[in-house]
Amino acid sequence: RKEVEQDPGPFNVPEGATVAFNCTYSNSASQSFFWYRQDCRKEPKLLMSVYSSGNEDGRFTAQLNRASQYISLLIRDSKLSDSATYLCVVTGYGQNFVFGPGTRLSVLP
Amino acid sequence: DTGVSQDPRHKITKRGQNVTFRCDPISEHNRLYWYRQTLGQGPEFLTYFQNEAQLEKSRLLSDRFSAERPKGSFSTLEIQRTEQGDSAMYLCASSLVGLAGGLNYNEQFFGPGTRLTVL
Repeated sequence: RKEVEQDPGPFNVPEGATVAFNCTYSNSASQSFFWYRQDCRKEPKLLMSVYSSGNEDGRFTAQLNRASQYISLLIRDSKLSDSATYLCVVTGYGQNFVFGPGTRLSVLP
Repeated sequence: DTGVSQDPRHKITKRGQNVTFRCDPISEHNRLYWYRQTLGQGPEFLTYFQNEAQLEKSRLLSDRFSAERPKGSFSTLEIQRTEQGDSAMYLCASSLVGLAGGLNYNEQFFGPGTRLTVL
């Protein structure tokens, strides 16, 4: 089993739609969780950290369920500019970060 | 620009040659990471430094790969005797590890990457 797994995608949604991405991880000792976005041929950029209590940043909401080893990202009122690959990131068995394979989102006009 | 910088941005080399990449992290950051990314995949961890100490190396990092961070500032990643399978984007990231408000923080910020093509 891979350490971090994500919805395979791609997700094609119309502008204004709500879309949710799921991520599961295998290391129960993981402490830090993040969502990054990556535009085509660019570097990953931090979207948000994910805390146990869940957190929200504008149209973006992240949830963490430690018991189920599951992380989610919800995007409301999606914009064309949200089109990107969304990467789930978890700290690994050491202090290294383990990235999921990413889920590609295309927001269509 | 005070972000993470990497040099060169692109490198084309012939199989068997050695290449070296440089990463300059955000100045106050104490951790520096190297990753490799191929098309359609997420970045794969290679190694990381806390200040000048190399604390962890992935099993992906064969003996042909070596990384240094001699003064705890910039880092270099060298690949010896390159192979076609080494073709990838090599990403560097830095972070400031600490504790604030009872929460561990370790958010990584990435450089633009060095795209390596081995012919």
